[in-house]
Amino acid sequence: DQQVKQNSPSLSVQEGRISILNCDYTNSMFDYFLWYKKYPAEGPTFLISISSIKDKNEDGRFTVFLNKSAKHLSLHIVPSQPGDSAVYFCAASASGSARQLTFGSGTQLTVLP
Amino acid sequence: NAGVTQTPKFRVLKTGQSMTLLCAQDMNHEYMYWYRQDPGMGLRLIHYSVGEGTTAKGEVPDGYNVSRLKKQNFLLGLESAAPSQTSVYFCASRVQGYGYTFGSGTRLTVV
Repeated sequence: DQQVKQNSPSLSVQEGRISILNCDYTNSMFDYFLWYKKYPAEGPTFLISISSIKDKNEDGRFTVFLNKSAKHLSLHIVPSQPGDSAVYFCAASASGSARQLTFGSGTQLTVLP
Repeated sequence: NAGVTQTPKFRVLKTGQSMTLLCAQDMNHEYMYWYRQDPGMGLRLIHYSVGEGTTAKGEVPDGYNVSRLKKQNFLLGLESAAPSQTSVYFCASRVQGYGYTFGSGTRLTVV
């Protein structure tokens, strides 16, 4: 049973427009959420995170929104650039000594020039 | 500063063979993790370690063993490889309160 779900395997967006990537979770113990970006043949790299005590976090072109009641988070990229084309993974963790991450299955974002 | 280094980057094994994947980090991180990535399934945790000499099972530990004899190294072993273990393996490390740093991965094919 997947505790973190990314229901859209792929998304295509025109350069300059907004990209919205969605993620749902089922485990109410999750209190920290992250987005990772992955290019082919490379490891995932950290993009942005949000604690469950917040509902929004911004970093430049990237904003993450958290809706705890709906157990839903989203990543907004504005404006989208061709270099943003990558696989985006949503991840979540619960408090504990190891803070293991539980990942979604990923969304392939393609930004068209 | 190399970060997290995984060796080898690619490997082809025959069913039943054994091998060890090495993860080395030079950031003095306490926590280390091994994940596998399969198509449509994201990354799944195999084993992890909260410090030198300690290891614990993750979500998909069967068929794998690990060791953390030195703080900077985390080894993942396959004693008898099976085709189901064909995957891309990622190692990660972190320090308390900070995010994960991932290696670039090992692509393993078991035939």
